[in-house]
Amino acid sequence: EIVLTQSPATLSLSPGERATLSCRASQSVSSYLAWYQQKPGQAPRLLIYDASNRATGIPARFSGSGSGTDFTLTISSLEPEDFAVYYCQQRSNLYTFGQGTKLEIK
Amino acid sequence: EVQLVQSGAEVKKPGESLKISCKGSGYSFTSYWIGWVRQMPGKGLEWMGIIYPGDSDTRYSPSFQGQVTISADKSISTAYLQWSSLKASDTAMYYCARLNGGYDDPWGQGTLVTVSS
Repeated sequence: EIVLTQSPATLSLSPGERATLSCRASQSVSSYLAWYQQKPGQAPRLLIYDASNRATGIPARFSGSGSGTDFTLTISSLEPEDFAVYYCQQRSNLYTFGQGTKLEIK
Repeated sequence: EVQLVQSGAEVKKPGESLKISCKGSGYSFTSYWIGWVRQMPGKGLEWMGIIYPGDSDTRYSPSFQGQVTISADKSISTAYLQWSSLKASDTAMYYCARLNGGYDDPWGQGTLVTVSS
C-alpha cells in the first residue's frame, strides 16, 4: 500500500499570506495525485488533479506541483474561505489519502 | 447537474446489518466508477473501495476487504455500501463520490452511521 505523508499537520497563517502544503509518497505515484479541500460539516471538494491541473471552478490562487514522490499545493494569497483541511490522494496503486493538513487562521 | 444523493443518517446496535445508498443523477451512471470513503469522528479520509456500475467490477482497500460489501443497481442508478454485522468502530461519516478522470468528483453529502448499544 502506498502511504502518503502530509506536512505540516497544522499550518497557521493570516489572510493574504502564501500557503505551501506538502505531500510525500512512500513510492513513486508518477503524477497521479490529487488535492481536496474539506470545510467543517461539508463533503470534500476536488481542487487539483494529476498533480497540477485545477478542477472546474477552482480559483487560480490554488496551484499544484510535483511528480514522483514529492508534491506541493500552493495557495498564493489566502482568502478567509480557504481555511480548511486539505488532503492529498494518490491513484497510482488503488487509492490512498494522506492524513491531512489543517490550515488555520493565525 | 451531476449529483450524488446519499441516504439518511442511521443509528444501529452492534451486530445489526445495514445498507446505505448513493443515487447518481445528471450523468450516465453505468459509465463512471463510484467510490466510498470513511471519515471517523474528528479523523481523516479513508478510501474503502470502488465499483463500476456498468459491470459491477469492484475493488476494495485491503483495510476494508471482507468488512463491507459494495454493490450497485444500475436500473435505479444507485450504489450501496453494506455491513452484515456492525461494530461500534464502524461509527463514522460515509461518503460516496463519482470518479471523474480517476478522482472523486463530485461527492455525495455523506451518511452518518452511529453504532451504539
